[in-house]
Amino acid sequence: GGIITQTPKFLIGQEGQKLTLKCQQNFNHDTMYWYRQDSGKGLRLIYYSITENDLQKGDLSEGYDASREKKSSFSLTVTSAQKNEMAVFLCASSIMDRDAEQFFGPGTRLTVL
Amino acid sequence: AQSVTQPDARVTVSEGASLQLRCKYSYSGTPYLFWYVQYPRQGLQLLLKYYSGDPVVQGVNGFEAEFSKSNSSFHLRKASVHWSDSAVYFCVLSANSGTYQRFGTGTKLQVVP
Repeated sequence: GGIITQTPKFLIGQEGQKLTLKCQQNFNHDTMYWYRQDSGKGLRLIYYSITENDLQKGDLSEGYDASREKKSSFSLTVTSAQKNEMAVFLCASSIMDRDAEQFFGPGTRLTVL
Repeated sequence: AQSVTQPDARVTVSEGASLQLRCKYSYSGTPYLFWYVQYPRQGLQLLLKYYSGDPVVQGVNGFEAEFSKSNSSFHLRKASVHWSDSAVYFCVLSANSGTYQRFGTGTKLQVVP
């Protein structure tokens, strides 16, 4: 088995601040994802990456940057945190098949003051 | 365009009662469909998936789902729920044209004594 680790677990930022979230997986999966989870809105895809140094925009990429410098890691940057923003950011990974199961990390909870 | 609709944001059922959580999808091609579950303070886990064959698929913990092409639906069922089934359930669509999966908004299930 494998595991997905997300750091930090809790992230508190100030309005306008640039914030970085990190994700590591040891499944040796090709594809990694970043999702944002808001109450009542399900999971919305921000970025995904099908291999090292690849980046693909999802439905919610505006306001975010991502980086996949190694196969095992995928970082997400909030370029300018919005006041009163609260959300959970979930990282996931999978093999690159259409019917592939995604494996999820525990999440990073963001609060912007 | 592809989309997933879970019309019920919250469902409450009595322990031991049967359960159906509804999912409708919109996609002109052949869909791959999944149900994921998010238990309190845990990461998302795959319950079951469908991509071909018998329209009724079995998952973990006694869950099953039935695919209906004519109704564009993939409803989740369980014959007798337990309090530990209380969680948020997500229906997910994987379309042929994209390499990422689309999540519904989720249904929060509460099982009461």
